[in-house]
Amino acid sequence: EVQLVESGGGLVQPGGSVRLSCAASGFTFSTYEMNWVRQAPGKGLEWVSYINFAGNVIYYADSVKGRFTISRDNANSSLFLQMNNLRAEDTAIYYCARVPFGEHIDYWGQGTLVTVSS
Amino acid sequence: EIVLTQFPDFQSVTPKEKVTITCRASQSIGSSLHWYQQKPNQSPKLLIRFASQSMSGVPSRFSGSGSGTDFTLIIHSLEAEDAATYYCHQSSDLPWTFGQGTKVEIK
Repeated sequence: EVQLVESGGGLVQPGGSVRLSCAASGFTFSTYEMNWVRQAPGKGLEWVSYINFAGNVIYYADSVKGRFTISRDNANSSLFLQMNNLRAEDTAIYYCARVPFGEHIDYWGQGTLVTVSS
Repeated sequence: EIVLTQFPDFQSVTPKEKVTITCRASQSIGSSLHWYQQKPNQSPKLLIRFASQSMSGVPSRFSGSGSGTDFTLIIHSLEAEDAATYYCHQSSDLPWTFGQGTKVEIK
């Protein structure tokens, strides 16, 4: 069974940093591309970032470019999102999502809530 | 950026009725359009990929169609468990984008 379990969310002050993790299991992590997608409270879905198998092809949404960094550890089946210089508008549930063949999202984690507030 | 616009934003439907949700793209995306169901306090679940390919385990009352700029998700004979928000999503071009969502309520 495919499982994606995010962690690392919480309350952080504006301008602060947080690192999200996603532990993957039930599939061969190193053969899948991955995404982070977020959802502000009561709002819709917003794609945040993409990383390929090897971690050497990466894309970001303009809203987070220069502040967020996606990475992965294939040996430990883990995905990460380093979030710096956080703003109130970054408040959201952050989902780790699997991307088969780089074509769409087929599985989502349960999400981790990041709240940016003083 | 490709904008996806869903119609309607909200629909209140009686069980066994047919539900039709439309997703319109601001430019042609071929068949790179996918549909997700999100129930309250849950993560999204993939229902339909590439416009019309139903995922394993998804009830047969869900179907998708369309190509280019106009797409449709149909729930034939709505059931109570289908109360959720439905999102379309395009993977044709970066940044990947989502529709604003269509909330389906059971009357």
